[in-house]
Amino acid sequence: GENVEQHPSTLSVQEGDSAVIKCTYSDSASNYFPWYKQELGKRPQLIIDIRSNVGEKKDQRIAVTLNKTAKHFSLHITETQPEDSAVYFCAASRGGNNDMRFGAGTRLTVKP
Amino acid sequence: DGGITQSPKYLFRKEGQNVTLSCEQNLNHDAMYWYRQDPGQGLRLIYYSQIVNDFQKGDIAEGYSVSREKKESFPLTVTSAQKNPTAFYLCASQGTNTGELFFGEGSRLTVL
Repeated sequence: GENVEQHPSTLSVQEGDSAVIKCTYSDSASNYFPWYKQELGKRPQLIIDIRSNVGEKKDQRIAVTLNKTAKHFSLHITETQPEDSAVYFCAASRGGNNDMRFGAGTRLTVKP
Repeated sequence: DGGITQSPKYLFRKEGQNVTLSCEQNLNHDAMYWYRQDPGQGLRLIYYSQIVNDFQKGDIAEGYSVSREKKESFPLTVTSAQKNPTAFYLCASQGTNTGELFFGEGSRLTVL
């Protein structure tokens, strides 16, 4: 089955700096790569996703890049704000209703 | 109000007892999932169901059982065979066209 690895496990940045979280996956058939944000005491929520037919996707201050050859994808947050502090999870799936596997999570802290 | 509902939010169980966690969705989604969340280990897949009357084991299915008799419901039973059941359990349903997972608020199980 799919195995997703995520780094770093914790990340602390100063407000306004950029943050980058990286993930690798093992199943070359995976074609859907979402990122979820989980604030303290709340449920995970989708913040951005990318499919294998594109290499990069942006949504305001967040962007995701995908390198299918190397089987890794990354989340980039620019101009970080204290409200970006949360745990971020990457995931990979073959798409459709196939099982989705998650990385171990990254706890991001943005210091004001 | 559409969404996915888990109950109970908190549950205490004595060793040797089975307990069932409820998960209901009114989003008309075919696929539903159960994940276990432990600190530092991300979201680990217990079981998933792509359609009514069908389900598959995830990575940590031992000691758990599920049923999918109705599209809206996917209950998880934590049996006495689960050696370390104290955890936070998250249920999710998956958007048919988007692949996005919609999570419930979770159920925190504590074994006394």
